[in-house]
Amino acid sequence: TQLLEQSPQFLSIQEGENLTVYCNSSSVFSSLQWYRQEPGEGPVLLVTVVTGGEVKKLKRLTFQFGDARKDSSLHITAAQPGDTGLYLCAGDYNQGGKLIFGQGTELSVKP
Amino acid sequence: GAVVSQHPSRVICKSGTSVKIECRSLDFQATTMFWYRQFPKQSLMLMATSNEGSKATYEQGVEKDKFLINHASLTLSTLTVTSAHPEDSSFYICSAGRDSYTGELFFGEGSRLTVL
Repeated sequence: TQLLEQSPQFLSIQEGENLTVYCNSSSVFSSLQWYRQEPGEGPVLLVTVVTGGEVKKLKRLTFQFGDARKDSSLHITAAQPGDTGLYLCAGDYNQGGKLIFGQGTELSVKP
Repeated sequence: GAVVSQHPSRVICKSGTSVKIECRSLDFQATTMFWYRQFPKQSLMLMATSNEGSKATYEQGVEKDKFLINHASLTLSTLTVTSAHPEDSSFYICSAGRDSYTGELFFGEGSRLTVL
């Protein structure tokens, strides 16, 4: 059974601070996705990483995929209150479209 | 992206009753759909894989008789929570299809179940 460990699970910071969320597995992913979810809504895709060592940027968000494709990180620079939400990593282990989600990181950015 | 619709968005029921939640793919056919459960401020937990025309595949620890899944057509899967109890109260969300380029899952809007 694949496990995807995401940390931290809760993070409360002040506006302007930087933060990093980690996602780790003992198994190799064929790809990994990061989602953001607002309460009462479905998750919205932020990025998909596929290649080991890949780095993708989305404005103030930087996503990295580990060289061995077993881990990933999300770094937010100068966090803003609008970044508040639940961030989810999801690993694809090539099992017929099934994704395994990490535990999630509930981020709160205070003005 | 593709459109997946879920209904109802909210449902409140009495303990012991059964509740059916529908997941529809509106502009594409889906031979496979996925059902997730989510508690407040927690991640999505995969419950089962719904397969059109055959039995669903349940994840370990998910009660098959409690959570009945039917995927009778290529555009509709249903999840029935049988004899619901307060501990079944949760956010249930389905997904169908994936973007061939980004791998993005297409999620329904989710259904908030409250069992009194």
